[in-house]
This record gives sequence, C-alpha cells and structure tokens, in this order.
Amino acid sequence: EVQLVESGGGLVQPGGSLRLSCAASGFTFSSYWMSWVRQAPGKGLEWVANIKQDGSEKYYVDSVKGRFTISRDNAKNSLYLQMNSLRAEDTAVYYCARDPTYYGYPHFDYWGQGTLVTVSS
Amino acid sequence: AIRITQSPSSLSASTGDRVTITCRASQGISSYLAWYQQKPGKAPKLLIYAASTLQSGVPSRFSGSGSGTDFTLTISCLQSEDFATYYCQQYYSYPPITFGPGTKVDIK
Repeated sequence: EVQLVESGGGLVQPGGSLRLSCAASGFTFSSYWMSWVRQAPGKGLEWVANIKQDGSEKYYVDSVKGRFTISRDNAKNSLYLQMNSLRAEDTAVYYCARDPTYYGYPHFDYWGQGTLVTVSS
Repeated sequence: AIRITQSPSSLSASTGDRVTITCRASQGISSYLAWYQQKPGKAPKLLIYAASTLQSGVPSRFSGSGSGTDFTLTISCLQSEDFATYYCQQYYSYPPITFGPGTKVDIK
C-alpha cells in the first residue's frame, strides 16, 4: 500500500525556518517525481515545488523561489522541503504528492495527510 | 503561467442529480488536465487524468471530457459521498503547475 506521511510542521515566527519531511513507503520511491502542494486555510490548492527521480531537476512556484528548497534522499525513501524566510502567507497545510508519470507530466495519484505550517508572531 | 478558471464556484444539488463542472485554461493545454475531489480535512483524491481517463478505483459515474482550453467533469448520478470540493489542474506547461479555484458541491 502506497503511503506518504508528512512531518515537521508547526508554529514559526515570520522570518524563521522549518524543514518538512515526507516518508514514503509501498512503492519504489526512486522511480517517481515528487511534489509539495500547499493549501492555505479555507483556500484552494497551490503547487509549491517538484523534484525529479534522481534530484537533478527541481522546479518552484515563483513565490517561494530563493526561500524554499526541495530535496530527496532515495536511500531513506524521503522527500524534504526546507523553508527559510517564512512569511505569514506561507501559512498552509503542506502535502507531499506522487507524480505517476516517469517523464514528469505532473498530476498526483497519491497524497499524504498533510502537515500544518503556521507563520505568526 | 497558465491560468485556470472553474465554473460555477459552488452549486447545490440533490442526490441522483447530474452535475457538470467546467474548467477553462487561459491557453491550449491539449489533454493535460486532471480532476480532484477534496473533502473537508482530507487530502485531495485524483479522479481523472489526461482529461478523460478515470483513475483506478474511481466510480464510473465520474467522467471527464474536453481538450484545448475547455474541459468538463460530469457526475452522472450524484451520491451522498460526492458532496465535496472539486479542483482541476493543468500539467501541460510548468512551472508553475496550476490548479483551478475549486467548485464546492453541497446539498440542496
């Protein structure tokens, strides 16, 4: 059974940092592009970043470029999102999601349960 | 960035109704469109990809159509478990991957 389990969310002050993790199981993690998608309270879905199977390609939404870094450790079946210089508008539930297409035509067939990040003083 | 609009933003329907949700892209995206269902407090669930391909395990009352800029999600006979918010998402051109703003389907 495919499982994605996020962790690392919490309350952080504006300008602070946080590192999210996503533990994957039930599939060959190293064979899939992976993404982070977020959802602000009461709002819609926003794609944040994705990363190729071997980590050689990474893409970001403009609003997080230079502040967030996506990475992965295929040996640990884990996906990460390092978030620096956090802003109030980064407050959201962050989901990790699997892209089922090998060549990165990203739609998402499995999602984690999400982890809440709250940026507030 | 490709902008995605959805209509309506919300609708009220009864069990057994046929429901249609429309998604429009700001430029042609071929058939690179997916539909998701999200219930409160839960992660989204993939319903349809490639505009019209039903994800494994999704009931056949869900169907998708369209290509280019205009797409439709149809629920042929609304069930109680279908009351949720529905999002479309383009993956023709990125970054960024973009989602529509969502359509909330609630009980009339």
